[in-house]
Amino acid sequence: IQMTQSPSSLSASVGDSVTITCRASQSISSYLNWYQHKLGEAPKLLIYTASNLQSGVPSRFGGSGSGTDFTLTISSLQPEDFATYYCQQSYFTPYTFGQGTKLEIK
Amino acid sequence: EVQLLESGGGLVQPGGSLRLSCAASGFTFSSYAMSWVRQAPGKGLEWVSGISGSGGSTYYADSVKGRFTISRDKSKNTLFLQMNSLRVEDTAVYYCAKGSMNTVNSYQYYMDVWGRGTTVTVSS
Repeated sequence: IQMTQSPSSLSASVGDSVTITCRASQSISSYLNWYQHKLGEAPKLLIYTASNLQSGVPSRFGGSGSGTDFTLTISSLQPEDFATYYCQQSYFTPYTFGQGTKLEIK
Repeated sequence: EVQLLESGGGLVQPGGSLRLSCAASGFTFSSYAMSWVRQAPGKGLEWVSGISGSGGSTYYADSVKGRFTISRDKSKNTLFLQMNSLRVEDTAVYYCAKGSMNTVNSYQYYMDVWGRGTTVTVSS
């Protein structure tokens, strides 16, 4: 299953809201997870099964979608949110990630 | 606190072998599936392999099938990745990740804790 994210990069300011889109090449129901990755650090799970917020993740992160189209929304961006975001399907193995969306400070 | 610490990375020539380790702590190791995920320079994340909590079921990406072997040692709380016939394109940071459940091949599987990675460089 191919996962395609858009945009590949995004510039925004602290306090802005942003939306990242992930599209699957076939229906994956709601089996879609989102991760945040900062250079040199361990990736971090944000959202699992499309819309469930992982424990400890701030509520400004939200996920939605089903079938082939999914979104990650970050409201009121904070300085620590500037990172690369990946979607990942868990519909079946081999699990696949999107190519990533790099969120940069404007 | 759940912690994962990878080791074993390094420089190896094409065709060579390397064995990665991931020491786990803070959870009941045998109760959770584990995965290896890699990131090549300038590229995104790629799921490489997964293993069930019991070690009885293993899964691989097509790019490494037949060359890499995932395993785990319950007595040492350690995950391994044996990498043979290494290629230049295997150059990457390799992360181990704890699964959300005992099985890899499940719709509900996601990777909820990750290590900081170990770097593998394949070059002559």
